[in-house]
Amino acid sequence: EPEVTQTPSHQVTQMGQEVILRCVPISNHLYFYWYRQILGQKVEFLVSFYNNEISEKSEIFDDQFSVERPDGSNFTLKIRSTKLEDSAMYFCASSDLWGNTEAFFGQGTRLTVV
Amino acid sequence: AQSVTQPDIHITVSEGASLELRCNYSYGATPYLFWYVQSPGQGLQLLLKYFSGDTLVQGIKGFEAEFKRSQSSFNLRKPSVHWSDAAEYFCAVVQGAQKLVFGQGTRLTINP
Repeated sequence: EPEVTQTPSHQVTQMGQEVILRCVPISNHLYFYWYRQILGQKVEFLVSFYNNEISEKSEIFDDQFSVERPDGSNFTLKIRSTKLEDSAMYFCASSDLWGNTEAFFGQGTRLTVV
Repeated sequence: AQSVTQPDIHITVSEGASLELRCNYSYGATPYLFWYVQSPGQGLQLLLKYFSGDTLVQGIKGFEAEFKRSQSSFNLRKPSVHWSDAAEYFCAVVQGAQKLVFGQGTRLTINP
């Protein structure tokens, strides 16, 4: 069964450092998303991406964040200068249609900023 | 903006007992609704979804949910829970066409 793959599963970084979280969406999907879940809180939308550009982003997704699809398979989330409050589980998701279809989620990357 | 409320933060049931997890949504039109499950340290797995049609939807692992427009609810049910059902459960609604809005989640504990 096709699945969304995220690497690494856990990343520890020092405050102020740049991190790149990687995702391989399902191969025939066209829409890609990043979500974040701070420990003990709900899952929050960060950004959606289609046709090599951002479709929508939340207030959380400020200019410290960027996304990229550098090749035909990977989808990355970069945080330029991490802050303590960026510590969270980051989920990548992909879907083949807008809205009224299933978004498949990866296992997540736990980011710990120290 | 659409929102989702899961009133119960934590529920404990005995193995073999029935389960109902509550979800209320705020949305003007017919919503697209989902239930996801997250096992400890794992990602989000879709249990079931409602787009239109029959208001009682069946999902995986023996779960079902009923859409009630009059109550703005989409409660998740299972007639007999198993110890492996212990997890966090999230209700979500599609906002616009591009993103999911999640509830706070309900943590389910199963007593042996």
